[in-house]
Amino acid sequence: NAGVTQTPKFRVLKTGQSMTLLCAQDMNHEYMYWYRQDPGMGLRLIHYSVGEGTTAKGEVPDGYNVSRLKKQNFLLGLESAAPSQTSVYFCASSYFRNPEAFFGQGTRLTVV
Amino acid sequence: ILNVEQSPQSLHVQEGDSTNFTCSFPSSNFYALHWYRWETAKSPEALFVMTLNGDEKKKGRISATLNTKEGYSYLYIKGSQPEDSATYLCAFIQGAGGTSYGKLTFGQGTILTVHP
Repeated sequence: NAGVTQTPKFRVLKTGQSMTLLCAQDMNHEYMYWYRQDPGMGLRLIHYSVGEGTTAKGEVPDGYNVSRLKKQNFLLGLESAAPSQTSVYFCASSYFRNPEAFFGQGTRLTVV
Repeated sequence: ILNVEQSPQSLHVQEGDSTNFTCSFPSSNFYALHWYRWETAKSPEALFVMTLNGDEKKKGRISATLNTKEGYSYLYIKGSQPEDSATYLCAFIQGAGGTSYGKLTFGQGTILTVHP
């Protein structure tokens, strides 16, 4: 019973490099989310998806892209990483009717 | 951008004290309000999902109330214990006609420290 799994758990990038974070859920949830966590700022929504093939912008979408080609996966891409994107990234998913969110374990990203 | 505000930002209490936090949110197009508990080095876990005005939920020593008309929710902890130390987050979803818009917006959290 894996729940929500994020890959990788840790990553160090150089400024300008690109990378993709993978979120996979095995609960058949419709909704999926990507958040970033910074000190004193709680969880800020980057992008979210209400179903396969659909995505929408959250509060802080600049510098990120997402895709949801399969219902169980939600990918977060950084095309050209910047030091301001150093953060801990959390993925979450929930059912359409019962929107309690289940979280992955987080990805700690450092951009140098 | 939806305004979900939590207060206080941090709180230090002694073991045995009772305490409460506030979450305020937009009163229009309400769908659901969540409370989460987030321990250091772990992921947030849901405490309560509240959907109806006047809802009261309880889990052990922790309870929550909801007022959707005025846009606030309170979380209460009775007889705080050191293991209650965590960040408590509220999250808000709007919707209409019984359908959620899907966008889950969090407040900045209240950091609770319970001293033995």
